[in-house]
Amino acid sequence: QVQLVQSGAEVKKPGASVKVSCKGSGYTFTAYYMHWVRQAPGQGLEWMGWINPNSGGTSYAQKFQGRVTMTRDTSISTAYMELSRLRSDDTAVYYCAKEAVHADFDFWGQGTLVTVSS
Amino acid sequence: EIVLTQSPGTLSLSPGERATLSCRASQSVSSNYLAWYQQKPGQAPRLLIYGASSRATGIPDRFSGSGSGTDFTLTISRLEPEDSAVYYCQQYGSSPLTFGGGTKVEIK
Repeated sequence: QVQLVQSGAEVKKPGASVKVSCKGSGYTFTAYYMHWVRQAPGQGLEWMGWINPNSGGTSYAQKFQGRVTMTRDTSISTAYMELSRLRSDDTAVYYCAKEAVHADFDFWGQGTLVTVSS
Repeated sequence: EIVLTQSPGTLSLSPGERATLSCRASQSVSSNYLAWYQQKPGQAPRLLIYGASSRATGIPDRFSGSGSGTDFTLTISRLEPEDSAVYYCQQYGSSPLTFGGGTKVEIK
């Protein structure tokens, strides 16, 4: 069965960086784009971007351009999302989500809470 | 950027009643690339509907989607207690991908 397992919660200071991992299993990791979506406390969903695990190509939402980097390690079927220059309003649950054949998101990771606080 | 507006913000209904959730786009959604997700507290979103009207694997047939262009609807024909959740629409036809603000469904 398809599973996306994310790394654990993080607490960071303003200005620091965080790197969240997402390990895929139960499917061909390189065959489907991986997206990252975040959700601030009590708020809605916000799309951050995607990575093509096959080529390593990426596309980021303009809001995060220059601060986000998505990478992957195909040898261990893991995608990564690194966000730099953290601010308090980056406090959120960060999800990875696998793109389906029909381009929506059919499987999601369990989420990683990132707390930014001095 | 396509803005998705969901209404109502909150829907409070009894078990067995019909729920109708609306998602309106600021411009036409390409190829009806519109999905609906259900999110329960403390959980990740779960795909319900893709392509505006196709049910995802394992989704009960009381959930149905309809619409095209700029107006989309998610209908839950007979509410069950476990349907209490927030429901989000998403368009994935053009970048940036965007989500609606969500509709909270409460079961009385």
